[in-house]
Amino acid sequence: EVQLVESGGSLARPGGSLTLSCAASGFTFSDPFSDAWMGWVRQAPGKGLEWVGRIKSKRGGGTTDYAASVKGRFTISRDDSENTVYLRMSSLRAEDSAVYFCAHIRLVEWFLESWGQGILVTVSS
Amino acid sequence: EIVLTQSPGTLSLSPGARAALSCRASQTVRSNYLAWYQQKPGQAPRPLIYGTSIRASGIPDRFSGSGSGTDFTLTIARLEPEDSGVYFCQYYGVSPSFGQGTKLEIK
Repeated sequence: EVQLVESGGSLARPGGSLTLSCAASGFTFSDPFSDAWMGWVRQAPGKGLEWVGRIKSKRGGGTTDYAASVKGRFTISRDDSENTVYLRMSSLRAEDSAVYFCAHIRLVEWFLESWGQGILVTVSS
Repeated sequence: EIVLTQSPGTLSLSPGARAALSCRASQTVRSNYLAWYQQKPGQAPRPLIYGTSIRASGIPDRFSGSGSGTDFTLTIARLEPEDSGVYFCQYYGVSPSFGQGTKLEIK
């Protein structure tokens, strides 16, 4: 069973930067993390879910794409040797305050099969 | 971007009743890209249905999904108190999106 644990959340200043990490475990030899597509989703307090972006496996091209609300400010990367995916957030705004979830994208079936517990990011002066 | 609109916003039903949650897309979506999630307070979302009608691992058969084109429905039969929560539909495509959620209360 895939398990995801986010870390790195905290208080950030408007205009500042923060990097979240998502450590993955439970992948197998036949289904390695290196083949996984990973996504980030956020949820502002009391609000619904918002797609942030995703990163494909290197075999899938390794490309990333982002929601319009974060494009150009957020960057997703991965370190397959550490089974970790990152979300680098810069030029932070108050409206970026949210719980951030990382998720494992199930290929072919195309849904978010496993989720981390979420990490809170607060952007405030 | 495909916009998903869920209705109703809140649904209050009694144990044993049947719930029907609607998810309407702003344009036709491929059925294999439509999923449903349940979220309880303080928890991460849990996948219920993917590919419009396929139950995720461990989901009881009281949960079923249907629909096509722009109209999709999550049906929960024989409601139990533990079914309370917020339900989101999601389209996984070129630009993934979520519906705004339906809050289900079991009283």
